[in-house]
Amino acid sequence: GAGVSQSPSNKVTEKGKDVELRCDPISGHTALYWYRQSLGQGLEFLIYFQGNSAPDKSGLPSDRFSAERTGGSVSTLTIQRTQQEDSAVYLCASSLIGGRTHGYTFGSGTRLTVV
Amino acid sequence: AQSVTQPDIHITVSEGASLELRCNYSYGATPYLFWYVQSPGQGLQLLLKYFSGDTLVQGIKGFEAEFKRSQSSFNLRKPSVHWSDAAEYFCAVDMNSGYSTLTFGKGTMLLVSP
Repeated sequence: GAGVSQSPSNKVTEKGKDVELRCDPISGHTALYWYRQSLGQGLEFLIYFQGNSAPDKSGLPSDRFSAERTGGSVSTLTIQRTQQEDSAVYLCASSLIGGRTHGYTFGSGTRLTVV
Repeated sequence: AQSVTQPDIHITVSEGASLELRCNYSYGATPYLFWYVQSPGQGLQLLLKYFSGDTLVQGIKGFEAEFKRSQSSFNLRKPSVHWSDAAEYFCAVDMNSGYSTLTFGKGTMLLVSP
């Protein structure tokens, strides 16, 4: 597509429920990133996919967080047993190759509210 | 640890006045440097980037930034601010080591007064 598409744009969930957030990157972009933006914390790196390589999961805050990227395209970020501190905007970005020289294109994000 | 510092949380500028947003990074080598802008409810839009060559880079919307190695800085500037520039601005670095990931500053909120 023309841009990075994220769905849903807003999600309200009850504490303890699981949620899935979806990211559809720009066609042809081999790199895909998930970031979390929360008040007072700025933007935190969560996970990075590059082609068929093993993802860099070093930013995932706990084992309740996981992500997949199927067929080198669409990615799903799953949060199990959501907690109130998981409330944040989850941003997805994609880039050509590694992004260093091409820059990253961000989606509009999914605003997650855990009540 | 690597870090990116944007010392100003909020800045208010009169419309038509010049703007400078500060960004400093902590890293031994020259990273790849980026400025992004985020309007309310929107994702981040790339304004400009630097990775080599001329240390003064031009971006979209009339913005420019200058990389100063000696100061580990990459400040964003605009000669004349428009009301539509009101947004949050993020400086980010890719440390050019291993995986390509961005480390962001905490952001500077720009308010434009009439």
